[in-house]
Amino acid sequence: DVKVTQSSRYLVKRTGEKVFLECVQDMDHENMFWYRQDPGLGLRLIYFSYDVKMKEKGDIPEGYSVSREKKERFSLILESASTNQTSMYLCASSLDWDEKLFFGSGTQLSVL
Amino acid sequence: AQSVTQLDSHVSVSEGTPVLLRCNYSSSYSPSLFWYVQHPNKGLQLLLKYTSAATLVKGINGFEAEFKKSETSFHLTKPSAHMSDAAEYFCVVFSWGKFQFGAGTQVVVTP
Repeated sequence: DVKVTQSSRYLVKRTGEKVFLECVQDMDHENMFWYRQDPGLGLRLIYFSYDVKMKEKGDIPEGYSVSREKKERFSLILESASTNQTSMYLCASSLDWDEKLFFGSGTQLSVL
Repeated sequence: AQSVTQLDSHVSVSEGTPVLLRCNYSSSYSPSLFWYVQHPNKGLQLLLKYTSAATLVKGINGFEAEFKKSETSFHLTKPSAHMSDAAEYFCVVFSWGKFQFGAGTQVVVTP
């Protein structure tokens, strides 16, 4: 079965820390996405990638960066964590442009 | 630019009665449209996808959605709600390489 794995289910960090959220998919998908989910706001796209080494800004990229050195791995980086980045972070992948998204189980990040 | 509006943030239904979740979208071109469901403490799961082959789309667990271009709507329905349908539902539009999610509708099912 298809699998998208996020390295941590819960994470607690301090303001100003550099934070890495890792995501790995085992489906050989070209496309990978990072979203954050906040109550009443749905899912908002942070960054996405359509190929290794390629990345595109989503709707809310400020304060975040990404890395995709290998096809199966897409990392989200918070350069200097702030309290307003406390959220649920969801990684997803898809085979093609408008195909079904496969989601990881999410990382609940708390920045104190 | 594309956008998705889910018209109800919360819907409460009795078990065995119909469910209607409303979604309007705006997009410059003919978009692909989806409904996803998120059960408590579980990952998002695809319910159905509109591909322009037919305006009425059947999904999993008895859900279906009707695409109405003139109304720019993609409402989700189920004839008879089950307790297991209690979850959050997201309407999604794909256009210009990006998936745009609605704010979500929380469904409560009462016995």
